[in-house]
Amino acid sequence: DAGITQSPRHKVTETGTPVTLRCHQTENHRYMYWYRQDPGHGLRLIHYSYGVKDTDKGEVSDGYSVSRSKTEDFLLTLESATSSQTSVYFCAISEEEETEAFFGQGTRLTVV
Amino acid sequence: TQLLKQSPQFLSIQEGENLTVYCNSSSVFSSLQWYRQEPGEGPVLLVTVVTGGEVKKLKRLTFQFGDARKDSSLHITAAQTGDTGLYLCAGDFRKTSYDKVIFGPGTSLSVIP
Repeated sequence: DAGITQSPRHKVTETGTPVTLRCHQTENHRYMYWYRQDPGHGLRLIHYSYGVKDTDKGEVSDGYSVSRSKTEDFLLTLESATSSQTSVYFCAISEEEETEAFFGQGTRLTVV
Repeated sequence: TQLLKQSPQFLSIQEGENLTVYCNSSSVFSSLQWYRQEPGEGPVLLVTVVTGGEVKKLKRLTFQFGDARKDSSLHITAAQTGDTGLYLCAGDFRKTSYDKVIFGPGTSLSVIP
């Protein structure tokens, strides 16, 4: 299994609070991604990174920010959580943009 | 409106039966990937198809890429309980005006012993 660790695995938070999810990899892959998965929508890309300090927006980036200060860590921050951000969040990594993506086990976030 | 559609949405079959699930788009994609996701886990890549008309086999799973590169199918022969999971297709639209990889909503397969 690819070395990807997401933390926390589960979180319940209140509306309006900031939340940070962490993705840690041990594969030294260049690309890292954050997706959210919701019933009927599949996986939707939030943000991705193509190197340290190099990030770009995905299709559902509003309300989210990311940071990548080290190759191995990619953080996803919800500055002020809303109920619409209740979802399962997946981190993925790939060596290059067009190579196989490996996914973490997911973080289930509930915003109440 | 979803660019990538999958059917059926849910499928429940008996062990030993055959099944086919479909992934369709109104736009051409340069390649397509199939993933399987088990409950509580992330998706795991099964196969990537690149060439129109391509057929790939992975044990009891047969993947086909449509000639027009707008559709793909996954056929499972003699389903086993271990095949239970969510099957996702992901189309690579990065060489089109959409410029991204898009996942379908998935087919949830349940194989009953």
